[in-house]
Amino acid sequence: GAGVSQSPSNKVTEKGKDVELRCDPISGHTALYWYRQSLGQGLEFLIYFQGNSAPDKSGLPSDRFSAERTGGSVSTLTIQRTQQEDSAVYLCASSLWALDSNQPQHFGDGTRLSIL
Amino acid sequence: AQTVTQSQPEMSVQEAETVTLSCTYDTSESDYYLFWYKQPPSRQMILVIRQEAYKQQNATENRFSVNFQKAAKSFSLKISDSQLGDAAMYFCAYRIGGGATNKLIFGTGTLLAVQP
Repeated sequence: GAGVSQSPSNKVTEKGKDVELRCDPISGHTALYWYRQSLGQGLEFLIYFQGNSAPDKSGLPSDRFSAERTGGSVSTLTIQRTQQEDSAVYLCASSLWALDSNQPQHFGDGTRLSIL
Repeated sequence: AQTVTQSQPEMSVQEAETVTLSCTYDTSESDYYLFWYKQPPSRQMILVIRQEAYKQQNATENRFSVNFQKAAKSFSLKISDSQLGDAAMYFCAYRIGGGATNKLIFGTGTLLAVQP
């Protein structure tokens, strides 16, 4: 597609449930990034993929968070046993090639996750 | 550890006037990149301008320019001839060069209001 696509746009769920967030990067982009934006805060890095591999997952806050990418394209971020502190906007970005620092990251519109 | 600081939570400017948003960062690296992103209410992060640390010349993109002071670790954004559409949250971000890690480190943002 023309831009990074994320779904769902909004997700409301009960505490303790599992959620899956999806990111479809720009066609041809090999690098994909997940960030979290809590209310009134900047973006916090979670994980990035180069192809299907995740060289840096240092930002995942706990073992309840996991992400995968298949076919070098779509990625899913899964949060198990959600907690209220998981409420945030989850943003995905992609770039042409992660190892080229000159390549800008292009962001999607994010998924707003609300845990009741 | 690298950090990015935006000390102005909110700013206001009159339409057609000029405004400067401040950003400072802390790093021991010599090769890095700096970015300004704009986030309107739609949530999508839009790249406004970027600066390579090895370049002494300040980057310019139409009405947007930066004042990059490497020794002072300062990277301010100047918006000239402000327009109503410039109203948004602005984030300063840092990225280490060399491909060692590709995450963006963000400041907490400055909310810019443009008064007609």
